[in-house]
Amino acid sequence: LAKTTQPISMDSYEGQEVNITCSHNNIATNDYITWYQQFPSQGPRFIIQGYKTKVTNEVASLFIPADRKSSTLSLPRVSLSDTAVYYCLVLGGSQGNLIFGKGTKLSVKP
Amino acid sequence: DAEITQSPRHKITETGRQVTLACHQTWNHNNMFWYRQDLGHGLRLIHYSYGVQDTNKGEVSDGYSVSRSNTEDLPLTLESAASSQTSVYFCASSDGGGSGSSPDTQYFGPGTRLTVL
Repeated sequence: LAKTTQPISMDSYEGQEVNITCSHNNIATNDYITWYQQFPSQGPRFIIQGYKTKVTNEVASLFIPADRKSSTLSLPRVSLSDTAVYYCLVLGGSQGNLIFGKGTKLSVKP
Repeated sequence: DAEITQSPRHKITETGRQVTLACHQTWNHNNMFWYRQDLGHGLRLIHYSYGVQDTNKGEVSDGYSVSRSNTEDLPLTLESAASSQTSVYFCASSDGGGSGSSPDTQYFGPGTRLTVL
């Protein structure tokens, strides 16, 4: 399983774009990059998943360079409600269970 | 709407007692998982099931057991509760019925906060 490295914490202000980078140097050919979000006192929630290049949905964008050894989760114009812990996971297609690291604690200030 | 629920949301028990945490999902998902979350450790997998009558041990399964008698439920039992099992427990489910080319999305319940005194 590929190990991931991401910052422990980040601070931002409302309205700013936030980019959280995750390193995964040992990613395998069939691995996908998946991000989950966890609010205080709640279970994690799927945000976005990608294999290469760029993926965008209504919540975030995920940028994956050609070598796939890192990825960047981009949150446009964050609000106070985006304060949460964000987890980067690298998963194979047949892998059913998730292995969470410590994630990145994002604090959005007014 | 389909959902995943956990009960109780909060539980206080004593060392040595048997405790069962309930998890119920209405998505008809094949896969169900139990995790525990402790400060400084993120989420760790306890047990998981890929279908009725199927159960598997996860990273931290000692002292826990599960059984899967139907699709909707995966109860987690602490046979003899210990203070080290004080934690927040999350149940999750995923479809598991895809081609396997991309990982399934897991849907998490609201969690159960368990305190063992």
